[in-house]
Order: sequence, then structure tokens, then C-alpha cells
Amino acid sequence: GNSVTQMEGPVTLSEEAFLTINCTYTATGYPSLFWYVQYPGEGLQLLLKATKADDKGSNKGFEATYRKETTSFHLEKGSVQVSDSAVYFCALSLSGNTGKLIFGQGTTLQVKP
Amino acid sequence: EAGVAQSPRYKIIEKRQSVAFWCNPISGHATLYWYQQILGQGPKLLIQFQNNGVVDDSQLPKDRFSAERLKGVDSTLKIQPAKLEDSAVYLCASSLVLAGGHRDFNEQFFGPGTRLTVL
Repeated sequence: GNSVTQMEGPVTLSEEAFLTINCTYTATGYPSLFWYVQYPGEGLQLLLKATKADDKGSNKGFEATYRKETTSFHLEKGSVQVSDSAVYFCALSLSGNTGKLIFGQGTTLQVKP
Repeated sequence: EAGVAQSPRYKIIEKRQSVAFWCNPISGHATLYWYQQILGQGPKLLIQFQNNGVVDDSQLPKDRFSAERLKGVDSTLKIQPAKLEDSAVYLCASSLVLAGGHRDFNEQFFGPGTRLTVL
């Protein structure tokens, strides 16, 4: 079936460190891929997206590239800040589908000063 | 622009009791989603409405869960009777229109959720 797998958390980094959160997917057809972020006490927010192979989504210094050959969509940031501490969710939506999102289990990021 | 509103924010009930959650989507958004997020897991779609019609309820436990979206605006999700395993955060989201194609994505905007604890 269709699914998303993320690396286990929590991930603890010092400020200005490099961040990678791994995400791989299994899907029929050609899905669109997303990263959502959930800050403490807030709702889920779309961070970035990519709709076809080799697309790079970017926002707020975060980037992720849609890799069809490895079925991956890893999230990266060159220099994290304390304010990036949150839970990050990778998700997919199937082409021609109703728009339903299929989420990974989430990865908690904690950035220490 | 106001976001997606949900109430209550927190609810504690005993098993076998009933509970209802309310969602008010962003004005003008035709599509409304209810997701269930169990602790340590990603959200899972329970039901999706397009205006006041159901598009997808394949993962809704219909023996105990029900949802409606009267007049195509607000929505309520009900659980009756509740079980211990229903303890979760219930998220409501809305989007402008139904996403129907590969690149035709309409962003889903999420509310803050209702945290349900069943004792």
C-alpha cells in the first residue's frame, strides 16, 4: 500500500548545526510530496512541497528534493535555530486522488542554544 | 484571515461515553477533512467532505464514529461510545477545492486540534 517512513526521533542538535531528516515513500503512480511542521501548541503548517521528480521544494531555509529513483524526500537545513524546534511530518498525496494526505510518523527536532 | 477553528481544545471522558467535536473551516473553503492523530503517529484521514457531501470515509469506524457537514460549512465529528483506543488528537483541515490532478494541489490548512483522553 501507500506509505511514508521517516527517521526515528528525537533529533537533538546545537544551534547552527546542519539538519537532515530522512523520508522515504511507497506509492502507486506519481505522488506529490510534502513536509509539514507542527510547532509546540500550534496546528500543522505546510513547510514545503514538490509535485514531480527532481523538483526541489524550499521555504524558510529548508529544502527537500523529490528523488524518484530512491523514493526519497529528505529534509535539510544548513543552519538550524532554536526556533526550528518542532515536529516535522513527511507526507504524500496521490495524483488524481481526492487530496488525502498520507503522513509519516513525525520526527521531533530539538535545537539547543 | 481567520484560520480553521476547532473546539473544544481538550476533552476528557470515560469509556462508553459520547463526545462531539466542532470545526469551522476557513471561509470559502469547499473541502473539509477530519484526521485522527494518535500519540507518536502521523495524522490519519477519517473523513473528507466536498461542500456537504462525503468524498472519502473509508477509514472512519462507522460503528462508533459519525460526522456531518450541514450547509457545507461547519462540521461535527461524534464518537459514541468511546473506547480507550480513541484517545488521540482530532485535527480538522480545509482547502479551497478538491485536488483532482497531479499538480492541482490545494494546500490544506489545519486547525489546532482537539485532544481527547478516554479513561
